[in-house]
Amino acid sequence: DQQVKQNSPSLSVQEGRISILNCDYTNSMFDYFLWYKKYPAEGPTFLISISSIKDKNEDGRFTVFLNKSAKHLSLHIVPSQPGDSAVYFCAASKGTSYGKLTFGQGTILTVHP
Amino acid sequence: GAGVSQSPSNKVTEKGKDVELRCDPISGHTALYWYRQSLGQGLEFLIYFQGNSAPDKSGLPSDRFSAERTGGSVSTLTIQRTQQEDSAVYLCASRDGGGQETQYFGPGTRLLVL
Repeated sequence: DQQVKQNSPSLSVQEGRISILNCDYTNSMFDYFLWYKKYPAEGPTFLISISSIKDKNEDGRFTVFLNKSAKHLSLHIVPSQPGDSAVYFCAASKGTSYGKLTFGQGTILTVHP
Repeated sequence: GAGVSQSPSNKVTEKGKDVELRCDPISGHTALYWYRQSLGQGLEFLIYFQGNSAPDKSGLPSDRFSAERTGGSVSTLTIQRTQQEDSAVYLCASRDGGGQETQYFGPGTRLLVL
């Protein structure tokens, strides 16, 4: 039972353009969502998060949007840079006292110079 | 050491052998997690430690898997009688447990069972 899904295994964009990574979830009990970036041979690095009480959170070039009714979140990167090329995972958790994360399968982002 | 560290970085073992994987969390973090990532898959939760509470072992795939956390700091994940399907990257993460949600991951241990 895949509770968090990233349906696009890969995404390719041109440097300077916007990258949009999507994530869907099925469990309505999830109330905290995170995006992680992972380079080869490294552990995932936290990027940005959003609580279910918000619909948008912005941090520099990264913005996460949450649509609770659609159970959908997206990560926007603008402008995209070649150094953004990595695997991006979305993750979700229930409650604020535990933090066990359920991850999607990941999307490989390639930003071409 | 500011980050989470794991050892060994790579481990090759023969089917049927036992392996131990080590995690050193960020100092002061009370919550510690183990995940694994099999080829082409997302990260799969294995076990969670929070302070002195009983660990949540709900993600362990079989009784061949066990984990300890000594002194509220270092953790060891043990896999007994390894099988080829245990081959994966095993990731450890820690969190400060004080309401901050963010988990910080180590670089992982790449386990290959031949």
